Order: sequence, then structure tokens, then C-alpha cells
Amino acid sequence: EVQLVESGGDLVQPGGSLRLSCVASGFTFSNYWMHWVRQVPGKGLVWLSRIRSDGRYTDYADSVRGRFTISRDNAKNTLYLQMNSLRADDTAVYYCARDDYGRNSLDYWGRGTLVTVSS
Amino acid sequence: DVVMTQSPLSLPVTLGQPASISCRSSQSLVHRDGNTYLNWFQQRPGQSPRRLIYQVSNRDSGVPDRFSGSGSGTDFTLEISRVEAEDIGVYYCMQGTNWPWTFGQGTKVDIK
Repeated sequence: EVQLVESGGDLVQPGGSLRLSCVASGFTFSNYWMHWVRQVPGKGLVWLSRIRSDGRYTDYADSVRGRFTISRDNAKNTLYLQMNSLRADDTAVYYCARDDYGRNSLDYWGRGTLVTVSS
Repeated sequence: DVVMTQSPLSLPVTLGQPASISCRSSQSLVHRDGNTYLNWFQQRPGQSPRRLIYQVSNRDSGVPDRFSGSGSGTDFTLEISRVEAEDIGVYYCMQGTNWPWTFGQGTKVDIK
């Protein structure tokens, strides 16, 4: 069974940093592109970032480019999102999701981790 | 970015009756490879999104056949033939044709 479990969400002050993790199981993690998507509570979904299966290609939404860094450790089956220079509008639930390669889609999602940016 | 516009944003339904959600894109979702990458997700209260439909009309494994997707170009529809209580939640369309991938605003389906 495919499982994605995010962690690392917390309350952080504006300008602060946080690193989110997503541990994958039930599939060969190193074969898949992975993504981060966020959702402001009560609002819609926004794609943030993606990383190739080998970790050597990354892409970001304009809203987080230069502040967030996606990475992965295939030996640990873990995806990361390093978030710096956090702002109040980064407050959201952050989901990791698996890429359904060839279908340009996201087939499995984690349960999410809540990041709150507030003083 | 491709703008995805869903309607209605709120859909009160009667159990056992059909329901339909529209999703329109600001540009054609036909990819240069000839495929159309339009997805539908369901998000039940307190849960993460679950994919129902990919490439316009392909149902995911385990998705009841009362859910169906259709459309082409810029106009797409998710239909529920007979709404059941477990279908309550928010439904999102998402395009995977152009980067960045973008979602519709969501349609909240609840009981009338």
C-alpha cells in the first residue's frame, strides 16, 4: 500500500525557516517524481514544487521560488521541503504527492502537515 | 498560468439524484503529445485529496462507476449519476498540460 507521511509542520515567526519531511513507503520511491502542494485552510489547492526521481531537476511556483527548496534522499525514502523567509501567506497545510508519470497527474497524497506563520 | 474556473462553487444535492460540476480552462488542455491532461480530485471533510479521474475520463481503481468525466479542449464536466452520502466534500479539477499545474477553486457538494 502506498503511503506518504508528512511531518515538520509547526508555528513559526515571519522571516523564520522550517523543513518539512515526507516519508514514502509501499513503492519504489527512487523511481518517481515527487511534488509539494499546499492548501490554505478552507481554500483551494496550489502546486508548489516538483523534483525528478534522481533529485537532479527541480521546479517551483513563482510564489516560492528563491525561498523554498525541494530535495530528496532516496536512500531514506524521504522528500523534503526547506522553507525560508516565511511569510504569513505561507500559512497552509502542506501535502506531498506522488507523480503519476506519463499521466501528468498526482496519484497519491499524504495527509498533510500544517505550517502556521505568525508572530 | 492556465486559469481553471469551476462552476458552481456550491452544489446542494439530493441523495440519489444526479450532480454535475463544470470546469473550464483559460486555454486548450490538449498537450503537444495529443493527450488532454485534465484530472478530478475529491476532498472529503478533514481528508487529503483523492484522485477520481485522470486524462478527462479515466476512473481510478476503486472509484465507483457513478463518477464519470467528459469534455475536451477547454470545457470539462464531472458527473455523479446518483449522489450518495459519502460523496459529500469538495471537488477540484486540475490541469497537467501546462506548467505550472493549476487547480480550479473547488466545488463544495453537500446535502440539500
